[in-house]
Amino acid sequence: DGGITQSPKYLFRKEGQNVTLSCEQNLNHDAMYWYRQDPGQGLRLIYYSQIVNDFQKGDIAEGYSVSREKKESFPLTVTSAQKNPTAFYLCASSIAGGGGELFFGEGSRLTVL
Amino acid sequence: KQEVTQIPAALSVPEGENLVLNCSFTDSAIYNLQWFRQDPGKGLTSLLLIQSSQREQTSGRLNASLDKSSGRSTLYIAASQPGDSATYLCAVRTGGTSYGKLTFGQGTILTVHP
Repeated sequence: DGGITQSPKYLFRKEGQNVTLSCEQNLNHDAMYWYRQDPGQGLRLIYYSQIVNDFQKGDIAEGYSVSREKKESFPLTVTSAQKNPTAFYLCASSIAGGGGELFFGEGSRLTVL
Repeated sequence: KQEVTQIPAALSVPEGENLVLNCSFTDSAIYNLQWFRQDPGKGLTSLLLIQSSQREQTSGRLNASLDKSSGRSTLYIAASQPGDSATYLCAVRTGGTSYGKLTFGQGTILTVHP
C-alpha cells in the first residue's frame, strides 16, 4: 500500500542529545513537509522540500535540520539547540500540482527526559 | 497573515444527528481548503479537498462547502456515528500554487455518543 511511514513512533531523549526522525513515502510525491503539533497550538511548519536536494525553513525551523537526498526520504533532526523539543511530529507529502492535497504519516512522539 | 478559526472548539452529539462544523479564514485569496480528521495519537487523514473554484465536495456522509467571499467553509456530517468521534481540522492554502503556505485551524473535537 502507498503511504507515508514515520519512525520511531515513540522516542525518548536526554537533554543535550540530537535525535533523528525518519519519514519515508512511496507515493512518488515531490513535496515533503515536517510539522510540529503541540496541545492548544495547532500545527506549525518546521521545514519543507519541493524537490530533491532543496529545502526551505518553515515558521519554527530554529533547532531543527533536514536533508532531502532522495525523493522518498525527508529525515528531521532535532538538535540540542531546540529549547522545547517535546512534541508530536508529523511528516506530510503532496504531489506537484494536482491540487496540492496533503497526506500525513502517523506521527512520532518525542519526549525529552 | 492568514488566520483560520474553527467553531465550536468541541461538540458532543447523540448518534444519528446531522451536524455542521465551521471553519472561517481572514484572507479570501485562497488556493484551496482541506478538511482532515485526526484520531488521538495519530496522524491526520485527508477527508475532502476543495479548490478555490469549487463550491462543494462530497464523500459518502461528508459534504464540505466553500464560500470564499465570506471566508467560510462548513463540513456537514450526516447521520453521525460513534466512529466519527475525532478532531476535525481545516487547513487553508494561500500563495496561488499547490506549494503555497498552509494555515491550520485549531480543530473541533467531536464526540458522538451512542
